Amino acid sequence: DAGVTQTPRHEVAEKGQTIILKCEPVSGHNDLFWYRQTKIQGLELLSYFRSKSLMEDGGAFKDRFKAEMLNSSFSTLKIQPTEPKDSAVYLCASSGTGGGGEQYFGPGTRLTVL
Amino acid sequence: GQQVQQSPASLVLQEGENAELQCNFSTSLNSMQWFYQRPEGSLVSLFYNPSGTKQSGRLTSTTVIKERRSSLHISSSQITDSGTYLCAMEGNYAQGLTFGLGTRVSVFP
Repeated sequence: DAGVTQTPRHEVAEKGQTIILKCEPVSGHNDLFWYRQTKIQGLELLSYFRSKSLMEDGGAFKDRFKAEMLNSSFSTLKIQPTEPKDSAVYLCASSGTGGGGEQYFGPGTRLTVL
Repeated sequence: GQQVQQSPASLVLQEGENAELQCNFSTSLNSMQWFYQRPEGSLVSLFYNPSGTKQSGRLTSTTVIKERRSSLHISSSQITDSGTYLCAMEGNYAQGLTFGLGTRVSVFP
């Protein structure tokens, strides 16, 4: 079985651009998560979907971040407009159970905003 | 909100030494996981361990729910164990993982 896949692996954007990150969860998993990792804050939850329904929209990240789950096997995270402070690694994870199961992570997308 | 305290922040070991990494949680937990983060950033799940003790090779994880803590024991450390270890918890409302800041382990010959 394929694990969680993420594209692109690296992204460089100019300040003010719109970027879209993509994620495909493990086939059959119901829950999908987006996280962001920075050196200062560590790993933080951005969004959480259960069976394609948005359960958590990330509080402080709502302003310029929008995650969508177009179908059960594909999700996107849009950042619009990008700012240099958005430079981080963005990780997608999925789990099979409806709440509180083991999460499997993708390889991440390293975003650099100039 | 939920908080996860990991200790120590860093650890230097001589090859063959044992080590214990700790994780303490500020709220009751529904589940927790230990991860190893590769140098390029990807996360490898080591243990999904909501309670009790689990072992995999030289690694042992113990979670004590009532005391809101979990530990990861590395026995007979090897150079390849070097890297960052992260613990994470999910609270009772299952709204995603809250991570600690990690323990950076360096093993030297």
